[in-house]
Amino acid sequence: AQSVTQLDSHVSVSEGTPVLLRCNYSSSYSPSLFWYVQHPNKGLQLLLKYTSAATLVKGINGFEAEFKKSETSFHLTKPSAHMSDAAEYFCVVTVPGNTPLVFGKGTRLSVIA
Amino acid sequence: EAQVTQNPRYLITVTGKKLTVTCSQNMNHEYMSWYRQDPGLGLRQIYYSMNVEVTDKGDVPEGYKVSRKEKRNFPLILESPSPNQTSLYFCASSMLASQYEQYFGPGTRLTVT
Repeated sequence: AQSVTQLDSHVSVSEGTPVLLRCNYSSSYSPSLFWYVQHPNKGLQLLLKYTSAATLVKGINGFEAEFKKSETSFHLTKPSAHMSDAAEYFCVVTVPGNTPLVFGKGTRLSVIA
Repeated sequence: EAQVTQNPRYLITVTGKKLTVTCSQNMNHEYMSWYRQDPGLGLRQIYYSMNVEVTDKGDVPEGYKVSRKEKRNFPLILESPSPNQTSLYFCASSMLASQYEQYFGPGTRLTVT
């Protein structure tokens, strides 16, 4: 079975400073990992994906994530936070085949002006 | 416009009164799924369907039913709602070959008193 742990339930940053949202995973097989974003009162949107190609993946709106197998981590970063980045972020894991997505509990990102 | 629609968006009901939340997608996706989102728990899968007339239980199926008579529709049925089913519900769809890239509906906020 696979699982993800999002290490922070809430992260607060100032506008223009870097963002780091942490995610550790556990998987018996080579995982595929994703970050989804949920803006207030909206559905979830895929931000970026890792599916066993390049370990550094780029997503929308300037976000990146690096797959580190040795650390079983898939942290989400952005060099400079924008007010519009304030949202809930979910780390998600699955394995190849018809297996369901497993969601982390979410990290709420607040951006302070 | 490609989208997943859910109705109603908000619903307040009483214990035991049967209700249905509809979900429809216009992307010809084979895969559809229902999730519930609760504070601090992330998203948990209720049921999913890989194609017409094919449905399967997710992590928290108790108290819910689904049907998939047409490819575009995947209604969620609560035969006898209880207060512990008060939650935010999301429908999602994707191509079968890329289940990780799910398109989410806007959500249905259900309150059972």
